[in-house]
Amino acid sequence: KAGVTQTPRYLIKTRGQQVTLSCSPISGHRSVSWYQQTPGQGLQFLFEYFSETQRNKGNFPGRFSGRQFSNSRSEMNVSTLELGDSALYLCASSLWGGGTDTQYFGPGTRLTVL
Amino acid sequence: GENVEQHPSTLSVQEGDSAVIKCTYSDSASNYFPWYKQELGKGPQLIIDIRSNVGEKKDQRIAVTLNKTAKHFSLHITETQPEDSAVYFCAASADSGGYQKVTFGTGTKLQVIP
Repeated sequence: KAGVTQTPRYLIKTRGQQVTLSCSPISGHRSVSWYQQTPGQGLQFLFEYFSETQRNKGNFPGRFSGRQFSNSRSEMNVSTLELGDSALYLCASSLWGGGTDTQYFGPGTRLTVL
Repeated sequence: GENVEQHPSTLSVQEGDSAVIKCTYSDSASNYFPWYKQELGKGPQLIIDIRSNVGEKKDQRIAVTLNKTAKHFSLHITETQPEDSAVYFCAASADSGGYQKVTFGTGTKLQVIP
């Protein structure tokens, strides 16, 4: 079974621009979560989608948004980019997103904001 | 909310020795505890997990123990090899209104010296 895929793998943007990242979950997985990983803050939860609905959201500003499509693929968007948004953005999928459900991570998208 | 503390932040061991990484959590509702290994340039990969109805779980050279009373769990790697060098993350997960709430530790950078 193919793993979680994320595109693109690398992105370079300038301040003020916006960016869209894509995630394809493992086939059959309906829950997709997004995380931001930085050296200083570690892995921080952004949001989780299940059946095209956002079920849970972390403490990030409204510039960070996402959506999920009927095939469970998900996108996240960051508008008005700031230097501090430079990070590795990770997507994780699981079957149903319940408490004991295992999350499988993709390779991440490395975003650099100049 | 949940708080997961992970120690040590860095760990160096000689090849063949054992490595132990410890985590504590605060939310007594947490009932699923996965461990992830992240190599440079890659996303976190699940290496072992344990659920709250189990006290210990082993998979070849890797074992995890859980003490729910004390709210701590540990990762044990025996007969370490250079390819075990990576950053290891613990996590605690709980059901929260029907969806999963995962909190990660801050990571341990393990270096295995040949």
